[in-house]
Amino acid sequence: QKEVEQNSGPLSVPEGAIASLNCTYSDRGSQSFFWYRQYSGKSPELIMFIYSNGDKEDGRFTAQLNKASQYVSLLIRDSQPSDSATYLCAVRDTGRRALTFGSGTRLQVQP
Amino acid sequence: GAGVSQTPSNKVTEKGKYVELRCDPISGHTALYWYRQSLGQGPEFLIYFQGTGAADDSGLPNDRFFAVRPEGSVSTLKIQRTERGDSAVYLCASSAFGGNTEAFFGQGTRLTVV
Repeated sequence: QKEVEQNSGPLSVPEGAIASLNCTYSDRGSQSFFWYRQYSGKSPELIMFIYSNGDKEDGRFTAQLNKASQYVSLLIRDSQPSDSATYLCAVRDTGRRALTFGSGTRLQVQP
Repeated sequence: GAGVSQTPSNKVTEKGKYVELRCDPISGHTALYWYRQSLGQGPEFLIYFQGTGAADDSGLPNDRFFAVRPEGSVSTLKIQRTERGDSAVYLCASSAFGGNTEAFFGQGTRLTVV
């Protein structure tokens, strides 16, 4: 059973701080990694994807991938109350289009 | 259309009944996915269509679940003999074919089996 693990949280950070969200995956064959944000009662929306080891930055968001450790993370700089949501980590294996999602980490940004 | 459209937004049905959930993907998107999401969980893959054909149906939990996409656009997820455990939000997503193009999700259909 391929697994994607996330701490369910809630992760609480003060406004303006850096939020660090972590994800581990079990299948070494995984090739693509995605972070989705999901507000309560809404559908997931893509924040970032990453394929290669290292960091990828997009505005206030940085995704980090370490395939040797089977670990992917999302950093949110200058966290805002509007960032309060559940963050879903998803993994795609080679040759497949389907995503395997973690159960998500709930982030709370305190004003 | 402008986004992925799913109907109905909510569906309450009695145990044992048959239901159909509809997904209208973004115009021109050839790839279509069905996921379901239970409370407190991430989306769980059900089936993926590339065009009209089901390219990967490995996530369908049993033979009560079936999906079609006859013209390569709108898809219908069909659930026979519904059970209370089928209650979840059913999410549809679509993407343009090729590479790791972004999959856009619809707002989902909340199915409640009573």
